[in-house]
Amino acid sequence: NAGVTQTPKFRVLKTGQSMTLLCAQDMNHEYMYWYRQDPGMGLRLIHYSVGEGTTAKGEVPDGYNVSRLKKQNFLLGLESAAPSQTSVYFCASSYSPAWTMNTGELFFGEGSRLTVL
Amino acid sequence: AQTVTQSQPEMSVQEAETVTLSCTYDTSESDYYLFWYKQPPSRQMILVIRQEAYKQQNATENRFSVNFQKAAKSFSLKISDSQLGDAAMYFCAYRSARNTGANSKLTFGKGITLSVRP
Repeated sequence: NAGVTQTPKFRVLKTGQSMTLLCAQDMNHEYMYWYRQDPGMGLRLIHYSVGEGTTAKGEVPDGYNVSRLKKQNFLLGLESAAPSQTSVYFCASSYSPAWTMNTGELFFGEGSRLTVL
Repeated sequence: AQTVTQSQPEMSVQEAETVTLSCTYDTSESDYYLFWYKQPPSRQMILVIRQEAYKQQNATENRFSVNFQKAAKSFSLKISDSQLGDAAMYFCAYRSARNTGANSKLTFGKGITLSVRP
């Protein structure tokens, strides 16, 4: 059971380049999230999705776009990368809070380190 | 909006000793979850322990236990018999139990770096 898988694990970009981070989960979770982690800031929510075909903004959405075309996948895009987007990105998923198996826990991928020069 | 505060950026403990990591939170809700996650140098986020707000009994997982004070909005993590492998960053996190999408997110504190001295 792979859980939550993120690709790529590392990437270096030049300012202005675009890229997409892919998150895939095999736990049939409804909810998926993208966070970024910066030193001294903890993890901050970028965007989230409560189901296939839905997305919503989190705390720090500017400069990012997302898509959830399939239930198991949640894509995070940077259209024009900036040095301020240098960070470690985490994808997470969970059951819907209404689901009986829900324990409140989020399941995380291993993170993707992105550097923008 | 909910907030989670971890006021100590770093702590150190001697191997085999006990250490307590502090966390406070602010919410107007009565039903929620609280978590401690561990992040070792591998970067993986690992769930250490979970507490449901409606349960008065403090959660325990082997050497890890919490002191949950709902009225004070305090949620500290106690690590007993500290081991070298406990060295990591620890995050306290809050999640609403409400069934709406915007409230399903985890809100994290800024984290605390724990070092273990051999």
